[in-house]
Amino acid sequence: GAGVSQSPSNKVTEKGKDVELRCDPISGHTALYWYRQSLGQGLEFLIYFQGNSAPDKSGLPSDRFSAERTGGSVSTLTIQRTQQEDSAVYLCASSFPVGLETQYFGPGTRLLVL
Amino acid sequence: QQQVKQSPQSLIVQKGGISIINCAYENTAFDYFPWYQQFPGKGPALLIAIRPDVSEKKEGRFTISFNKSAKQFSLHIMDSQPGDSATYFCAAGSGTYKYIFGTGTRLKVLA
Repeated sequence: GAGVSQSPSNKVTEKGKDVELRCDPISGHTALYWYRQSLGQGLEFLIYFQGNSAPDKSGLPSDRFSAERTGGSVSTLTIQRTQQEDSAVYLCASSFPVGLETQYFGPGTRLLVL
Repeated sequence: QQQVKQSPQSLIVQKGGISIINCAYENTAFDYFPWYQQFPGKGPALLIAIRPDVSEKKEGRFTISFNKSAKQFSLHIMDSQPGDSATYFCAAGSGTYKYIFGTGTRLKVLA
């Protein structure tokens, strides 16, 4: 079956612009996670969804970052007024059920803010 | 307390050699320790995982060694192959959804 997909695969934007990153999880996976991977760094947890709810948003770095999930499926991560330090790879993962089950990662969206 | 320290940052191994990557943690509540493998341009993929009730787990050429008292765990890749060249991440979880990841080790296996 299809894995986790993310779009776009690459995004170049100008400082101050808003961007939307999309994640399509594996069908039936109830849990969805967003991570950020900066050059030379590990994976930084951003937010987790169970269904359409986000019980833990503690990793979002600022109020410029927000995410939503609809229909228990697709999720969108929005970054408003992008800054150069937002440049990173944004990874989405999903799992079923929530808990320490295997998290399946998408290929990521590479964001470059000029 | 939430950090997972991973070393080395990069590693070069000859084909057929043993690759060893180490991780250390502080939080004794962690009870699940996965290793992820990431190839360039791809997302991380689960390689092997261990729970602290065992000291070692082996899957093919990949072995996790776990030392609960030292709060350390390591990945051993036996008979390393050029196709193993990738970035490896350790992680730790504690009965919840959230993993704490190490900073990654870039492995290069020379042909």
